[in-house]
Amino acid sequence: AQKVTQAQTEISVVEKEDVTLDCVYETRDTTYYLFWYKQPPSGELVFLIRRNSFDEQNEISGRYSWNFQKSTSSFNFTITASQVVDSAVYFCALSETTKTSYDKVIFGPGTSLSVIP
Amino acid sequence: DGGITQSPKYLFRKEGQNVTLSCEQNLNHDAMYWYRQDPGQGLRLIYYSQIVNDFQKGDIAEGYSVSREKKESFPLTVTSAQKNPTAFYLCASFHRDSANYGYTFGSGTRLTVV
Repeated sequence: AQKVTQAQTEISVVEKEDVTLDCVYETRDTTYYLFWYKQPPSGELVFLIRRNSFDEQNEISGRYSWNFQKSTSSFNFTITASQVVDSAVYFCALSETTKTSYDKVIFGPGTSLSVIP
Repeated sequence: DGGITQSPKYLFRKEGQNVTLSCEQNLNHDAMYWYRQDPGQGLRLIYYSQIVNDFQKGDIAEGYSVSREKKESFPLTVTSAQKNPTAFYLCASFHRDSANYGYTFGSGTRLTVV
């Protein structure tokens, strides 16, 4: 069965520190997608990244980077030189591409990140 | 710009009342979803619709109802049968093309029972 685990419930860091948010997933499928979403205090979920199971290249986007390792079923997210605006809840999610029309997406419980000035 | 519009942003309901949350999209997506989020919790799927005039129950459908009469609209009704409706509700549509595969979310409706 699908499962997404984000073991860190809450993290606090001081501004300019680096922080890594962990995500471990379980799936029996060989074809799937992984996502990270940011939920600021306003509530809207903001898409950050999508990665399919055939692309294990790490990605960097500004201060954000993602490390996808199929061998350990992990898709970790690192923020470099954190800023107060990074304070939010971050969700990792898994979608299995099925033969039916329903693309089921499972969300992890989220990690609440607080960046202290 | 294309996106998902949810209204109202805040909604207050008296005990025993039905209320309807609006969700409109102009992305031309077939699939739409409703999620519920409780404080400090993740997202739980209420209902989803893959096509007009069709919808399916998610994991926590009891006490909710939906309709999908138009591709652009997927309203959610919280009925009096929902015993604990106070929560944050998120609507989403789903891209299935490989380049943009995944959800676009609305800004949410915060429902409070008074």
